Amino acid sequence: DAKTTQPPSMDCAEGRAANLPCNHSTISGNEYVYWYRQIHSQGPQYIIHGLKNNETNEMASLIITEDRKSSTLILPHATLRDTAVYYCIVDGTSGTYKYIFGTGTRLKVLA
Amino acid sequence: SAVISQKPSRDICQRGTSLTIQCQVDSQVTMMFWYRQQPGQSLTLIATANQGSEATYESGFVIDKFPISRPNLTFSTLTVSNMSPEDSSIYLCSARESNEKLFFGSGTQLSVL
Repeated sequence: DAKTTQPPSMDCAEGRAANLPCNHSTISGNEYVYWYRQIHSQGPQYIIHGLKNNETNEMASLIITEDRKSSTLILPHATLRDTAVYYCIVDGTSGTYKYIFGTGTRLKVLA
Repeated sequence: SAVISQKPSRDICQRGTSLTIQCQVDSQVTMMFWYRQQPGQSLTLIATANQGSEATYESGFVIDKFPISRPNLTFSTLTVSNMSPEDSSIYLCSARESNEKLFFGSGTQLSVL
């Protein structure tokens, strides 16, 4: 079973920040949080990942709470092309390195 | 970043037949995985493709239905055997190094009539 829970859907106005939450209350100390997105039916695209510190790259920012039980993906200036399903994944399960996907959040960016 | 080529990109098949999907990575990778994504659903892990040994299947998936090969560190195949309409899905190949992020192919969209 997936170790994460996410809201099924969210809307965001174009140009505004999109904040996508993820709960991972059973995360272990050595497990990373990864975010991917899937546009239409293409293969999922990597966005960002982190262990305990906040991370930022050219696509997004990742905020992980101090207790690591939840995180938020931030798209600072959402565009219509950011409309996709966003998946939060906890990695490193029992050393098998396989990803178990949850249901994800369907983000719709509105013009 | 690894690049994964998957083919065919789509196919329409008759029930009772089999289809083999190929996955080629442009660099050697430690781990390769196969996922299925049914219409409107999230990704479900089918199996881990192990180089030189039998694949490791997740609960609900069996080797007779989804035989997998991985002859080397850059290539794997997934066969969907004795297909039925319920097998209509997108099948995705993915790969990673042990401490690196997972990369995905563009998927194979399978329709079974």
